[in-house]
Amino acid sequence: GQQVMQIPQYQHVQEGEDFTTYCNSSTTLSNIQWYKQRPGGHPVFLIQLVKSGEVKKQKRLTFQFGEAKKNSSLHITATQTTDVGTYFCAGQAGGFKTIFGAGTRLFVKA
Amino acid sequence: DGGITQSPKYLFRKEGQNVTLSCEQNLNHDAMYWYRQDPGQGLRLIYYSQIVNDFQKGDIAEGYSVSREKKESFPLTVTSAQKNPTAFYLCASSQTPASGNTIYFGEGSWLTVV
Repeated sequence: GQQVMQIPQYQHVQEGEDFTTYCNSSTTLSNIQWYKQRPGGHPVFLIQLVKSGEVKKQKRLTFQFGEAKKNSSLHITATQTTDVGTYFCAGQAGGFKTIFGAGTRLFVKA
Repeated sequence: DGGITQSPKYLFRKEGQNVTLSCEQNLNHDAMYWYRQDPGQGLRLIYYSQIVNDFQKGDIAEGYSVSREKKESFPLTVTSAQKNPTAFYLCASSQTPASGNTIYFGEGSWLTVV
């Protein structure tokens, strides 16, 4: 069945360092979404990418969707302590079901 | 405020008991979902419903049951058949079941077996 793999599982950074999480699907995706879950909280939608090669930015966050629509990345420039949490990618391969990656947990040391 | 309300936030269950987690949404969304999250883990789909009076099993439905009698409500029952129910349960909804719709999550319910 369809799988969405996300790496790394954990990332510890010093405040001000950059951070990247990667998402890879076993099948071509119709779209990919990114969510953030703060510690003790619930996932909150960040962004959706639909087009092949699409790049979107939200302040210090840059999201990319691969040309083959099978991989995606989230890059945070100059991390801050407010960036702490778990980042999930979620892919849809057409149809109804959304498959979530296992998430990357980001720790930021001040 | 529009959103998804889950209750209770914390629940303790004795072994052998059934418990029901409530989920209500006022977003007028057609699709609703239940996910399970174990500490430090990702989200696993338990059940989903695309429309009232219809629901389908997700990846880990064994030991759980749901109903969808009203559009706004999608309660989850954790039965005694679920051998390891201690987890964080997230209810979610989306406008339609169609691809590309944002999934909105409730604040979650922590279930602990004592």
